[in-house]
Amino acid sequence: DAGVIQSPRHEVTEMGQEVTLRCKPISGHDYLFWYRQTMMRGLELLIYFNNNVPIDDSGMPEDRFSAKMPNASFSTLKIQPSEPRDSAVYFCAISRGSSSNVLTFGAGSRLTVL
Amino acid sequence: DQQVKQNSPSLSVQEGRISILNCDYTNSMFDYFLWYKKYPAEGPTFLISISSIKDKNEDGRFTVFLNKSAKHLSLHIVPSQPGDSAVYFCAASPLYSGGGADGLTFGKGTHLIIQP
Repeated sequence: DAGVIQSPRHEVTEMGQEVTLRCKPISGHDYLFWYRQTMMRGLELLIYFNNNVPIDDSGMPEDRFSAKMPNASFSTLKIQPSEPRDSAVYFCAISRGSSSNVLTFGAGSRLTVL
Repeated sequence: DQQVKQNSPSLSVQEGRISILNCDYTNSMFDYFLWYKKYPAEGPTFLISISSIKDKNEDGRFTVFLNKSAKHLSLHIVPSQPGDSAVYFCAASPLYSGGGADGLTFGKGTHLIIQP
């Protein structure tokens, strides 16, 4: 996962608090994705960006979730306010080229909302 | 309404034997299929892929078979080694896609355990 750095690796927070997850792509990319992994639903695509522009956010579960990509080297996923059902591992991933389906994932951010 | 299904949450195989992980899909638009491997506390990593014009792709100990008429693919690992213990995700997409609603759709994963 040297191509994508995610922080924090673990986050424990209380319901109602704001959570910000960060992603720093290291290698070159055209696309950046945010995925969420839960036991019940597996890996779900939340949103993706192409050249820093949000293209499809239909996977974002609610208005409480928002994502930004102010430049090619940084993206954030924010949850405000957080709820216990948001507890999951959140992955950032990148790919290159319009036909590349090979994603490089970060190590993930494990979020626990109490 | 899972479009990519991995019906076995876990699989236990003895070291040295063959591991067979299965995946079914429902979307006829899927043309490209991938397997990812995930160790605990790490992100998934790409393992092997196959496009719909082929029915088999081999890379060392790993072989993926595609049966398009049955909408089924499988990953074979021969021989299985302790380091193969991980969660394996099947993923599918239309061939042209780079992401988004037409991008990768993942299964829920199969936890492979290789027993010594």
